[in-house]
Amino acid sequence: AQTVTQSQPEMSVQEAETVTLSCTYDTSENNYYLFWYKQPPSRQMILVIRQEAYKQQNATENRFSVNFQKAAKSFSLKISDSQLGDTAMYFCAFMGTSGTYKYIFGTGTRLKVLA
Amino acid sequence: DVKVTQSSRYLVKRTGEKVFLECVQDMDHENMFWYRQDPGLGLRLIYFSYDVKMKEKGDIPEGYSVSREKKERFSLILESASTNQTSMYLCASSSPGTVKNTEAFFGQGTRLTVV
Repeated sequence: AQTVTQSQPEMSVQEAETVTLSCTYDTSENNYYLFWYKQPPSRQMILVIRQEAYKQQNATENRFSVNFQKAAKSFSLKISDSQLGDTAMYFCAFMGTSGTYKYIFGTGTRLKVLA
Repeated sequence: DVKVTQSSRYLVKRTGEKVFLECVQDMDHENMFWYRQDPGLGLRLIYFSYDVKMKEKGDIPEGYSVSREKKERFSLILESASTNQTSMYLCASSSPGTVKNTEAFFGQGTRLTVV
């Protein structure tokens, strides 16, 4: 069975600084997708970034980038130039492609951006 | 834009009541999911459905059932609500067959309190 582990329950970062959130996963599949979701206090889950396992190039979306290490089964999220609006829960998620396409989530990291 | 709508944002129910949580999506997605979110535990999958009238148990199905009579609607049923079912419930939908739309789209969540 697939598992997703986020070992940092809480983190904080100063505004304009850079922060990295960690995620590791376990799977026997070769083809899969990884995601980072953001859940602000409004509770609406928003996709931050997506990585396809067969692509070696790390995904980037503006200030957000990932460090995808397939062999190590590691998928960290880097937020550059942190903004107050980045304060939220961040969830790492895995979706395999050989079964029913369900999403497995980690336990989340609560990020606080400090002014 | 994909829209996933949950029928209630907040619900308070009594122990032993039968509770229905409704979720509707407007993008013709095949897959729909019900997750439960608790602090420190992340999102745990209760049930998912990959087609009308088709369903599969997730990781924590005990005490819950689901119904999917129409493609756009996925209902979560608490047969006899108990206080340990007090939680945040999140509905999601996806259409993973398309490369561009592999992510899950979420509703705004229902915070259920069982007293």
